[in-house]
Amino acid sequence: GQNIDQPTEMTATEGAIVQINCTYQTSGFNGLFWYQQHAGEAPTFLSYNVLDGLEEKGRFSSFLSRSKGYSYLLLKELQMKDSASYLCAVSNSGAGSYQLTFGKGTKLSVIP
Amino acid sequence: DSGVTQTPKHLITATGQRVTLRCSPRSGDLSVYWYQQSLDQGLQFLIQYYNGEERAKGNILERFSAQQFPDLHSELNLSSLELGDSALYFCASSAATGGHYGYTFGSGTRLTVV
Repeated sequence: GQNIDQPTEMTATEGAIVQINCTYQTSGFNGLFWYQQHAGEAPTFLSYNVLDGLEEKGRFSSFLSRSKGYSYLLLKELQMKDSASYLCAVSNSGAGSYQLTFGKGTKLSVIP
Repeated sequence: DSGVTQTPKHLITATGQRVTLRCSPRSGDLSVYWYQQSLDQGLQFLIQYYNGEERAKGNILERFSAQQFPDLHSELNLSSLELGDSALYFCASSAATGGHYGYTFGSGTRLTVV
């Protein structure tokens, strides 16, 4: 089976930096995704890591360590609009298809 | 607009009834995935179709069924509805090879069972 853990809630101040951690246990690992989801809306793609290391994309960065089953999403220069849930998702390949298994998400509240 | 279209956006129905949710994938995507998201719950994978064939099944109840048609749109049928079936139902699509393109989600159908 698969297990994905991330904190349930976090609070951070506008303009600050926040790191959201994700640990996972899986087989057939094919990459790790981060999605952002505002309440009642569709998840939207933020980042993808398949090799160890840091991927930077503007204010957002994502890190992966496959040997440790660990990833984090780093958000810099926080803005109020960053208040949302952040979903860690692990991709597995098997039987010719790819599947994403999602963690329960981390609800980030950005305060003034 | 993500390119994945889901209808209807909202649905209110009574217990015991049957509903059909519809999804049109992004142009060129062959895979369609259905997810359920209940209040305070993560996205729960229900079922995947690839080019008209069922490819993977998750925690889908026997009361639920789905299919993908030759034009690649998909329908999720929910029957004998219970209060606990109230949730957001998302459809997502991906390119044939998936991989680092991940999924593109539709805006979801909010189902309320009363």
